[in-house]
Amino acid sequence: ETGVTQTPRHLVMGMTNKKSLKCEQHLGHNAMYWYKQSAKKPLELMFVYSLEERVENNSVPSRFSPECPNSSHLFLHLHTLQPEDSALYLCASSQGDLLSGNIQYFGAGTRLSVL
Amino acid sequence: AQSVTQLDSQVPVFEEAPVELRCNYSSSVSVYLFWYVQYPNQGLQLLLKYLSGSTLVKGINGFEAEFNKSQTSFHLRKPSVHISDTAEYFCAVRNTGRRALTFGSGTRLQVQP
Repeated sequence: ETGVTQTPRHLVMGMTNKKSLKCEQHLGHNAMYWYKQSAKKPLELMFVYSLEERVENNSVPSRFSPECPNSSHLFLHLHTLQPEDSALYLCASSQGDLLSGNIQYFGAGTRLSVL
Repeated sequence: AQSVTQLDSQVPVFEEAPVELRCNYSSSVSVYLFWYVQYPNQGLQLLLKYLSGSTLVKGINGFEAEFNKSQTSFHLRKPSVHISDTAEYFCAVRNTGRRALTFGSGTRLQVQP
């Protein structure tokens, strides 16, 4: 148990559906992240939030919309996805400034399948 | 820009044998280095990290890694592996100016009896 909880663990959706992924961290951290893990590709950073403000957005398509209402919760809203968006979506959190270790702790992920 | 190369996509090894998983990185600035492990159907768990100081770092489960600045490498080693070490291992770097990690493509360690 890493202290980062993601729900749901599995999600199947059609291309016209709207769904949301949820991440909650119980570690008192001040930064949260979304990563995408596709088969045969390295983990890709999608978004970074620090103190509830988005500080990085890695050219992610607008069909992915993040939301960070407070320092403990992070959402990823999904709409009109494509089959190539099928992947494992990982949430992480960290504490500290850029010059410290800023160790990231990961959740177990949401396995998303887009039909 | 920085990048991470894990030279081996799969490493088969017999139980109780030693193993080395290779990682090389490129970056124009100072970096922090990490190894994570991912067991089936789970998220990533931190194995060990290099932030500063001694270039030989020890982590959990008997793993260790050595930071070699001149060769820009951070290879992971274990003197004697167990069946339970079967997993995917990821090397990652973070430069001191950013929060984001850059990951390698992963090495699947397969420990056979």
